[in-house]
Amino acid sequence: SQKIEQNSEALNIQEGKTATLTCNYTNYSPAYLQWYRQDPGRGPVFLLLIRENEKEKRKERLKVTFDTTLKQSLFHITASQPADSATYLCALDSGNRDDKIIFGKGTRLHILP
Amino acid sequence: DAGVIQSPRHEVTEMGQEVTLRCKPISGHNSLFWYRQTMMRGLELLIYFNNNVPIDDSGMPEDRFSAKMPNASFSTLKIQPSEPRDSAVYFCASSRLGVGELFFGEGSRLTVL
Repeated sequence: SQKIEQNSEALNIQEGKTATLTCNYTNYSPAYLQWYRQDPGRGPVFLLLIRENEKEKRKERLKVTFDTTLKQSLFHITASQPADSATYLCALDSGNRDDKIIFGKGTRLHILP
Repeated sequence: DAGVIQSPRHEVTEMGQEVTLRCKPISGHNSLFWYRQTMMRGLELLIYFNNNVPIDDSGMPEDRFSAKMPNASFSTLKIQPSEPRDSAVYFCASSRLGVGELFFGEGSRLTVL
């Protein structure tokens, strides 16, 4: 069955360091992968989308890689700040070239001052 | 432009009662998604619509759940009768068909006693 796994439930990173979150998937061939941020009591907010033919995408301090051979995406936050503390969710389309979007359970990131 | 609007934000009800959750998508968006979020299962896709037509309802737990989208600016998710295990945060999201990026509402937190 199709499965999306995010590396850990929680991750603690020292302020100023690079935070790296992992998203692995099985039994999928998604056309694109997305990353969202969710703060407590709020809905997820879109951050970045990377397509299957793209290896890397950047936006300010964020960088996403997408390896369709390893079936893995890495999400990096450089020069991390306490304000980056949140839950980060990866999401994939179902692989059927439709608009069905499935989410991983997320990783809670804590940036320690 | 206003974001996705959900109501009610909080609902507490007793087992057996009917619950109706409402969603107004962003104007111009033609895809609408209903998700349910719990600590145990994460963000689960219940159903999604394209151009007001239900495309995939395979995530709807059982016949107690139903969703409608009578027009492009309104959708409902109904649970009848409700059970304690339905307690969760229900999110509505909208997007432009084929774009992928989802815009989420703030969610409806449902507690069934």
